[in-house]
Amino acid sequence: DAGVIQSPRHEVTEMGQEVTLRCKPISGHDYLFWYRQTMMRGLELLIYFNNNVPIDDSGMPEDRFSAKMPNASFSTLKIQPSEPRDSAVYFCASSSRTGGPQETQYFGPGTRLLVL
Amino acid sequence: AQSVTQPDIHITVSEGASLELRCNYSYGATPYLFWYVQSPGQGLQLLLKYFSGDTLVQGIKGFEAEFKRSQSSFNLRKPSVHWSDAAEYFCAVGPQGGSEKLVFGKGTKLTVNP
Repeated sequence: DAGVIQSPRHEVTEMGQEVTLRCKPISGHDYLFWYRQTMMRGLELLIYFNNNVPIDDSGMPEDRFSAKMPNASFSTLKIQPSEPRDSAVYFCASSSRTGGPQETQYFGPGTRLLVL
Repeated sequence: AQSVTQPDIHITVSEGASLELRCNYSYGATPYLFWYVQSPGQGLQLLLKYFSGDTLVQGIKGFEAEFKRSQSSFNLRKPSVHWSDAAEYFCAVGPQGGSEKLVFGKGTKLTVNP
């Protein structure tokens, strides 16, 4: 299995620009999670989907952030407009809950975002 | 609300020495507990997890962790550390109440001296 795939791996953009991060979960997984990691706040859950439906977006910082999952094999996290404080590593993770809540979340390699 | 505390931000050990990383949690029910490891520039990889049964859990790479309900702890241990164990380690708790959220601690960075 290829694991969770994220693109791009690195993104440098200027303040005010739109940023789109992409994620391909592990095939067959029905949960998808977006996390943000910063030195100050650690690892935070932004939003998660079940069967392509957003379940909990309470961690999304503000309206500039949006996430979609048009099908079971693709999700996007968009920031528009971007700000320097959005600089972080963004992780996507997926899991299959067929075995119950103890099932593992598998993380992608992350996208390192720098907003200048 | 769930919370996870990893009291040690940074730990340095010598190669071959034993290791214990601390994790304390706050949780309203029987917790699901996880330890993840993150190597530099990489995503998180699951080391081990506890959800029921034997309170001593074995994981990958020679790691183990012990769940102690009375102390609300889930400390990670390894008897002999290898240089390749240098990484950041995260304890997590969850999910609960129908939510799939994992709540992570702030992490402990491990440095291994030769």
